[in-house]
Amino acid sequence: DAGITQSPRHKVTETGTPVTLRCHQTENHRYMYWYRQDPGHGLRLIHYSYGVKDTDKGEVSDGYSVSRSKTEDFLLTLESATSSQTSVYFCAISEDRRYGYTFGSGTRLTVV
Amino acid sequence: QKEVEQNSGPLSVPEGAIASLNCTYSDRGSQSFFWYRQYSGKSPELIMFIYSNGDKEDGRFTAQLNKASQYVSLLIRDSQPSDSATYLCAVNKGNTGKLIFGQGTTLQVKP
Repeated sequence: DAGITQSPRHKVTETGTPVTLRCHQTENHRYMYWYRQDPGHGLRLIHYSYGVKDTDKGEVSDGYSVSRSKTEDFLLTLESATSSQTSVYFCAISEDRRYGYTFGSGTRLTVV
Repeated sequence: QKEVEQNSGPLSVPEGAIASLNCTYSDRGSQSFFWYRQYSGKSPELIMFIYSNGDKEDGRFTAQLNKASQYVSLLIRDSQPSDSATYLCAVNKGNTGKLIFGQGTTLQVKP
């Protein structure tokens, strides 16, 4: 997937626990994004980054935080997981905002 | 009104036919438009992008853009069973680089 890796691929966690998902890229792309995909809602932007330590909120950011301390890594943290955060999470990278994204393979998260 | 709207389908076409997928968007400031294909259980992959009014062709795929009507379409010629997937339309919101996705249209190509 064009040098983008998400980990873990699958995770089951309990309600109320913190969870961190990792996105790692080897493309040196400036822009990184986190989306969630749910039936009936499609892909929705959670947070994005336009450089190291530069992040901003997307349309569904409540309950999520992000960090980007290095160009290659973008972390998504669910501060206290809830069942409504059960979803498939996709990371995406972009070298130039005009040309679209490349997506990672996704993380399937289940909160029980 | 959703920012990007697609008919969820399924759209069923016979093998060899032309499949026509449509998308409308609400933000007139949007400048770039994308079509992604997503197979079941897989991640979206970019198949085409278009900026200018008119048609853009790439192999069996043609993207069409009409900014006045706020309408984007994707034509797939000589459809194959391997084209069976969900097709996602995405719009660069206000040219910010943030892509807003439609819910996708499921295409079924029957042999």
